[in-house]
Amino acid sequence: GDSVTQMEGPVTLSEEAFLTINCTYTATGYPSLFWYVQYPGEGLQLLLKATKADDKGSNKGFEATYRKETTSFHLEKGSVQVSDSAVYFCALGIPGGGADGLTFGKGTHLIIQP
Amino acid sequence: GAGVSQSPSNKVTEKGKDVELRCDPISGHTALYWYRQRLGQGLEFLIYFQGNSAPDKSGLPSDRFSAERTGESVSTLTIQRTQQEDSAVYLCASSFGTGKGGAAINQPQHFGDGTRLSIL
Repeated sequence: GDSVTQMEGPVTLSEEAFLTINCTYTATGYPSLFWYVQYPGEGLQLLLKATKADDKGSNKGFEATYRKETTSFHLEKGSVQVSDSAVYFCALGIPGGGADGLTFGKGTHLIIQP
Repeated sequence: GAGVSQSPSNKVTEKGKDVELRCDPISGHTALYWYRQRLGQGLEFLIYFQGNSAPDKSGLPSDRFSAERTGESVSTLTIQRTQQEDSAVYLCASSFGTGKGGAAINQPQHFGDGTRLSIL
Protein backbone atom coordinates (compact mmCIF):
# COMPACT_ATOMS: atom_id res chain seq x y z
CA GLY A 1 0.00 0.00 0.00
CA ASP A 2 0.87 3.68 -0.12
CA SER A 3 3.03 5.07 2.67
CA VAL A 4 4.96 8.17 3.73
CA THR A 5 8.06 8.19 5.89
CA GLN A 6 9.39 11.37 7.41
CA MET A 7 12.15 12.10 9.85
CA GLU A 8 11.29 11.73 13.49
CA GLY A 9 11.33 14.74 15.75
CA PRO A 10 11.55 16.84 17.60
CA VAL A 11 13.92 18.84 15.45
CA THR A 12 15.39 21.78 17.35
CA LEU A 13 17.17 24.60 15.52
CA SER A 14 18.31 28.11 16.25
CA GLU A 15 16.69 31.06 14.51
CA GLU A 16 18.10 31.72 11.01
CA ALA A 17 19.36 28.15 10.64
CA PHE A 18 18.82 26.12 7.45
CA LEU A 19 16.03 23.56 7.68
CA THR A 20 15.56 20.24 5.96
CA ILE A 21 12.82 17.79 6.89
CA ASN A 22 13.15 14.57 4.92
CA CYS A 23 10.16 12.83 3.39
CA THR A 24 10.10 9.72 1.21
CA TYR A 25 7.13 7.84 -0.14
CA THR A 26 5.94 4.64 -1.73
CA ALA A 27 2.89 4.70 -3.96
CA THR A 28 1.14 2.31 -6.31
CA GLY A 29 -0.01 5.11 -8.59
CA TYR A 30 1.31 8.52 -9.62
CA PRO A 31 0.84 10.62 -6.51
CA SER A 32 0.46 14.28 -5.75
CA LEU A 33 2.64 15.33 -2.80
CA PHE A 34 1.85 17.75 0.01
CA TRP A 35 3.25 19.33 3.13
CA TYR A 36 0.71 20.25 5.80
CA VAL A 37 1.56 22.26 8.92
CA GLN A 38 -0.09 22.50 12.32
CA TYR A 39 0.85 25.57 14.32
CA PRO A 40 0.29 25.49 18.11
CA GLY A 41 -3.41 25.76 18.90
CA GLU A 42 -4.47 25.67 15.26
CA GLY A 43 -5.81 23.09 12.82
CA LEU A 44 -3.84 21.45 10.04
CA GLN A 45 -3.39 23.61 6.96
CA LEU A 46 -1.81 23.11 3.57
CA LEU A 47 1.70 24.58 3.33
CA LEU A 48 2.63 23.59 -0.22
CA LYS A 49 2.11 20.92 -2.85
CA ALA A 50 3.47 19.47 -6.10
CA THR A 51 1.42 17.40 -8.50
CA LYS A 52 4.02 16.08 -10.93
CA ALA A 53 7.67 15.10 -11.08
CA ASP A 54 10.23 17.94 -10.86
CA ASP A 55 7.57 20.42 -9.75
CA LYS A 56 8.61 22.66 -6.88
CA GLY A 57 6.04 23.74 -4.33
CA SER A 58 6.78 26.89 -2.35
CA ASN A 59 5.10 29.02 0.29
CA LYS A 60 6.21 31.25 3.19
CA GLY A 61 9.88 30.69 2.30
CA PHE A 62 9.50 26.90 2.38
CA GLU A 63 10.22 24.79 -0.71
CA ALA A 64 9.95 21.13 -1.66
CA THR A 65 10.74 19.48 -4.99
CA TYR A 66 8.94 16.36 -6.23
CA ARG A 67 11.76 13.88 -6.99
CA LYS A 68 10.37 10.81 -8.69
CA GLU A 69 13.77 9.14 -9.08
CA THR A 70 14.37 9.19 -5.33
CA THR A 71 10.66 9.10 -4.34
CA SER A 72 11.26 12.09 -2.11
CA PHE A 73 9.68 15.45 -1.25
CA HIS A 74 12.04 17.02 1.28
CA LEU A 75 10.96 20.30 2.90
CA GLU A 76 13.56 23.09 3.06
CA LYS A 77 13.81 26.64 4.29
CA GLY A 78 16.89 28.80 4.13
CA SER A 79 16.42 30.75 7.36
CA VAL A 80 13.89 29.63 9.94
CA GLN A 81 12.08 31.87 12.39
CA VAL A 82 10.60 31.22 15.82
CA SER A 83 7.16 31.49 14.22
CA ASP A 84 7.94 28.41 12.11
CA SER A 85 7.72 26.23 15.22
CA ALA A 86 4.99 23.71 14.43
CA VAL A 87 4.33 20.10 13.48
CA TYR A 88 4.92 19.37 9.78
CA PHE A 89 3.22 16.48 7.98
CA CYS A 90 4.23 15.08 4.60
CA ALA A 91 1.37 13.49 2.66
CA LEU A 92 0.48 11.94 -0.67
CA GLY A 93 -2.73 11.50 -2.61
CA ILE A 94 -3.53 9.58 -5.76
CA PRO A 95 -5.75 11.60 -8.13
CA GLY A 96 -8.54 9.32 -9.19
CA GLY A 97 -7.51 6.74 -6.64
CA GLY A 98 -10.31 4.67 -5.22
CA ALA A 99 -10.21 5.80 -1.61
CA ASP A 100 -9.50 9.47 -2.38
CA GLY A 101 -8.02 10.36 0.99
CA LEU A 102 -4.50 11.52 1.79
CA THR A 103 -1.84 9.24 3.26
CA PHE A 104 0.10 11.11 5.93
CA GLY A 105 3.45 10.64 7.60
CA LYS A 106 3.66 10.67 11.39
CA GLY A 107 4.63 14.33 11.55
CA THR A 108 7.84 16.14 12.55
CA HIS A 109 7.76 18.53 15.48
CA LEU A 110 9.98 21.55 14.70
CA ILE A 111 11.17 23.79 17.52
CA ILE A 112 12.96 27.03 16.67
CA GLN A 113 14.83 28.70 19.49
CA PRO A 114 15.59 32.43 19.50
CA GLY B 1 -14.97 33.39 7.80
CA ALA B 2 -16.26 30.14 9.25
CA GLY B 3 -13.95 27.19 9.04
CA VAL B 4 -14.63 23.49 9.53
CA SER B 5 -16.43 22.97 12.80
CA GLN B 6 -16.38 19.71 14.76
CA SER B 7 -18.33 18.72 17.82
CA PRO B 8 -17.91 17.73 20.51
CA SER B 9 -14.33 18.86 21.02
CA ASN B 10 -13.85 16.20 23.67
CA LYS B 11 -15.76 13.02 24.41
CA VAL B 12 -15.15 10.57 27.22
CA THR B 13 -17.28 7.45 27.27
CA GLU B 14 -17.33 3.93 28.61
CA LYS B 15 -16.36 0.94 26.55
CA GLY B 16 -19.34 -0.52 24.74
CA LYS B 17 -21.22 2.75 24.35
CA ASP B 18 -22.06 4.29 20.96
CA VAL B 19 -20.70 7.73 20.03
CA GLU B 20 -21.59 10.18 17.30
CA LEU B 21 -19.15 12.79 16.02
CA ARG B 22 -20.27 15.75 13.96
CA CYS B 23 -18.57 17.80 11.25
CA ASP B 24 -19.80 21.04 9.66
CA PRO B 25 -17.71 21.70 6.53
CA ILE B 26 -16.97 25.03 4.92
CA SER B 27 -19.92 26.21 2.86
CA GLY B 28 -19.46 25.35 -0.80
CA HIS B 29 -17.03 22.51 -0.17
CA THR B 30 -18.41 19.39 -1.81
CA ALA B 31 -15.64 17.07 -0.63
CA LEU B 32 -15.47 15.97 3.00
CA TYR B 33 -12.94 13.69 4.68
CA TRP B 34 -12.68 11.89 8.01
CA TYR B 35 -9.28 10.97 9.48
CA ARG B 36 -8.18 9.42 12.74
CA GLN B 37 -4.98 10.21 14.63
CA ARG B 38 -3.91 7.85 17.36
CA LEU B 39 -1.34 8.99 19.89
CA GLY B 40 2.11 9.18 18.29
CA GLN B 41 0.81 8.21 14.87
CA GLY B 42 0.12 10.00 11.62
CA LEU B 43 -3.34 10.71 10.33
CA GLU B 44 -5.20 7.63 9.13
CA PHE B 45 -7.74 8.16 6.36
CA LEU B 46 -11.20 6.78 7.15
CA ILE B 47 -13.70 7.91 4.51
CA TYR B 48 -14.32 10.49 1.81
CA PHE B 49 -17.60 12.03 0.66
CA GLN B 50 -18.17 13.72 -2.68
CA GLY B 51 -21.49 15.40 -2.06
CA ASN B 52 -23.45 12.92 0.02
CA SER B 53 -21.92 9.91 -1.70
CA ALA B 54 -19.04 7.90 -0.26
CA PRO B 55 -17.45 6.05 -3.22
CA ASP B 56 -15.17 3.91 -1.04
CA LYS B 57 -15.80 2.87 2.55
CA SER B 58 -12.91 0.43 2.76
CA GLY B 59 -10.87 2.76 4.99
CA LEU B 60 -13.29 2.40 7.87
CA PRO B 61 -11.53 0.27 10.54
CA SER B 62 -14.44 -2.11 11.21
CA ASP B 63 -18.17 -2.55 10.73
CA ARG B 64 -18.67 -0.69 14.02
CA PHE B 65 -17.81 2.50 12.14
CA SER B 66 -20.27 4.24 9.85
CA ALA B 67 -20.58 7.70 8.36
CA GLU B 68 -23.29 9.73 6.73
CA ARG B 69 -23.51 13.09 5.05
CA THR B 70 -26.63 15.16 4.45
CA GLY B 71 -26.54 16.86 1.07
CA GLU B 72 -23.30 18.79 0.80
CA SER B 73 -23.36 19.76 4.44
CA VAL B 74 -23.09 18.13 7.83
CA SER B 75 -21.48 14.73 8.26
CA THR B 76 -21.65 12.38 11.22
CA LEU B 77 -19.24 9.60 12.10
CA THR B 78 -20.78 6.95 14.34
CA ILE B 79 -18.84 4.37 16.31
CA GLN B 80 -20.91 1.59 17.81
CA ARG B 81 -19.89 -0.55 20.80
CA THR B 82 -16.74 1.48 21.33
CA GLN B 83 -13.48 -0.22 22.25
CA GLN B 84 -10.42 1.20 23.95
CA GLU B 85 -8.46 1.10 20.69
CA ASP B 86 -10.96 3.61 19.27
CA SER B 87 -9.41 6.28 21.50
CA ALA B 88 -7.94 8.91 19.17
CA VAL B 89 -8.44 12.37 17.75
CA TYR B 90 -10.95 12.27 14.91
CA LEU B 91 -10.36 14.97 12.32
CA CYS B 92 -12.68 16.22 9.62
CA ALA B 93 -11.56 18.14 6.54
CA SER B 94 -13.38 19.69 3.62
CA SER B 95 -12.35 20.98 0.21
CA PHE B 96 -13.64 21.86 -3.20
CA GLY B 97 -14.36 18.72 -5.16
CA THR B 98 -13.56 17.54 -8.62
CA GLY B 99 -14.08 20.23 -11.21
CA LYS B 100 -12.57 23.13 -9.28
CA GLY B 101 -9.31 23.02 -11.20
CA GLY B 102 -8.64 19.33 -11.13
CA ALA B 103 -8.98 16.23 -9.01
CA ALA B 104 -10.47 16.67 -5.55
CA ILE B 105 -7.36 15.20 -3.95
CA ASN B 106 -5.29 18.14 -5.27
CA GLN B 107 -7.50 20.73 -3.58
CA PRO B 108 -6.29 22.12 -0.23
CA GLN B 109 -8.04 20.34 2.61
CA HIS B 110 -9.25 22.56 5.43
CA PHE B 111 -9.22 20.78 8.76
CA GLY B 112 -11.32 21.18 11.87
CA ASP B 113 -9.86 21.14 15.37
CA GLY B 114 -10.91 17.52 15.84
CA THR B 115 -12.80 15.53 18.45
CA ARG B 116 -10.66 13.92 21.12
CA LEU B 117 -12.33 10.61 21.95
CA SER B 118 -11.35 8.72 25.07
CA ILE B 119 -12.77 5.28 25.79
CA LEU B 120 -12.53 4.20 29.40
